[in-house]
Amino acid sequence: AQSVTQLDSQVPVFEEAPVELRCNYSSSVSVYLFWYVQYPNQGLQLLLKYLSGSTLVKGINGFEAEFNKSQTSFHLRKPSVHISDTAEYFCAPHPRGGGSYIPTFGRGTSLIVHP
Amino acid sequence: SQTIHQWPATLVQPVGSPLSLECTVEGTSNPNLYWYRQAAGRGLQLLFYSVGIGQISSEVPQNLSASRPQDRQFILSSKKLLLSDSGFYLCAWSGAALNTEAFFGQGTRLTVV
Repeated sequence: AQSVTQLDSQVPVFEEAPVELRCNYSSSVSVYLFWYVQYPNQGLQLLLKYLSGSTLVKGINGFEAEFNKSQTSFHLRKPSVHISDTAEYFCAPHPRGGGSYIPTFGRGTSLIVHP
Repeated sequence: SQTIHQWPATLVQPVGSPLSLECTVEGTSNPNLYWYRQAAGRGLQLLFYSVGIGQISSEVPQNLSASRPQDRQFILSSKKLLLSDSGFYLCAWSGAALNTEAFFGQGTRLTVV
């Protein structure tokens, strides 16, 4: 089984500032790692995912995340945020084995970008 | 390409009335299907999931039910809504492979009054 902790429920930042949204997970097996974004009154959409290879993964809208196996983290970063990045962000680990899996998500981090 | 349709987008229903939310997927076969509920300012709570026609698993006891009458159709229902059923309902699908993401519908904002 795996669990995920998004350490910050809300992250306020000013436009053009850098941001980091934290995600830590625990799992008895190796995992794939996903970040999703949810804009107001919409469904979730994939932002980026780590499957294998380079631990630095680049996604849409200038976001990137780094997989740190020793710290079991997958923090999301963006060097310069825009007002349009205001949204809810969800981290989701998937097990690499063990049969079928039901997508589960962290509690989410609300990114609020101020002008 | 695959698409997922969920409707209606918004719904206001009185307490005690029935509910039916529908979700359909196009462009794939035998998807895993899910219903989630999202309360204001909170994460996603899995309500039901289905790995095949007629196969429904419930994660949370409540007055809601789900059905999968066709391979790519997933319906969320209630016979009598409660105030606590208000929320944002999301339908999603995923493939069987563990390294693929889930795809979400646009959601239904349900307000029970």
